[in-house]
Amino acid sequence: QQQVKQSPQSLIVQKGGISIINCAYENTAFDYFPWYQQFPGKGPALLIAIRPDVSEKKEGRFTISFNKSAKQFSLHIMDSQPGDSATYFCAASFYGQNFVFGPGTRLSVLP
Amino acid sequence: NAGVTQTPKFRILKIGQSMTLQCTQDMNHNYMYWYRQDPGMGLKLIYYSVGAGITDKGEVPNGYNVSRSTTEDFPLRLELAAPSQTSVYFCASTGRGGYNEQFFGPGTRLTVL
Repeated sequence: QQQVKQSPQSLIVQKGGISIINCAYENTAFDYFPWYQQFPGKGPALLIAIRPDVSEKKEGRFTISFNKSAKQFSLHIMDSQPGDSATYFCAASFYGQNFVFGPGTRLSVLP
Repeated sequence: NAGVTQTPKFRILKIGQSMTLQCTQDMNHNYMYWYRQDPGMGLKLIYYSVGAGITDKGEVPNGYNVSRSTTEDFPLRLELAAPSQTSVYFCASTGRGGYNEQFFGPGTRLTVL
């Protein structure tokens, strides 16, 4: 019940395309869903986060879509750029604490 | 602010040796965490602390110990290192009050041979 599933494991997108990463959770007590971006040799950094009282949140080219009934949420990267090439992790937590992370998606954006 | 700092950046240990991974944050955060990251496995929580003097086990605590004597510092102790502890270790912190950004350190890459 604490698991967060994430797909795909890796993703290759052309510059300017849309990158979509999906996550699913089981525990309905989770109430905070952040996405983290990690570059090689660096620690993860918060990209965008959502709470289940909204179905979508957008920040620049990054959008989270949240489906509470399906217990799924996804990250959409519009107009993907080579600089977006990184590993992306979804996560879930209770009250913003004790995070459970997905296994990660390695995104490569081709120039 | 330096944020979350970790030392060392790299370390090679022999089986059975011990070491302490250091973590310090200068943001006056109450919550601190230790994770390990293995290839393709995401981050697994080892231990966490909600304030000085309070620590609790996460998902994978076996073979590790922590202490939290100050708000700033949260060291992770490895006793009797084993090859299964080869991993990248990240320390993180968040402020009190929920729904706060979790800040990560740069990581320590540990190899046990």
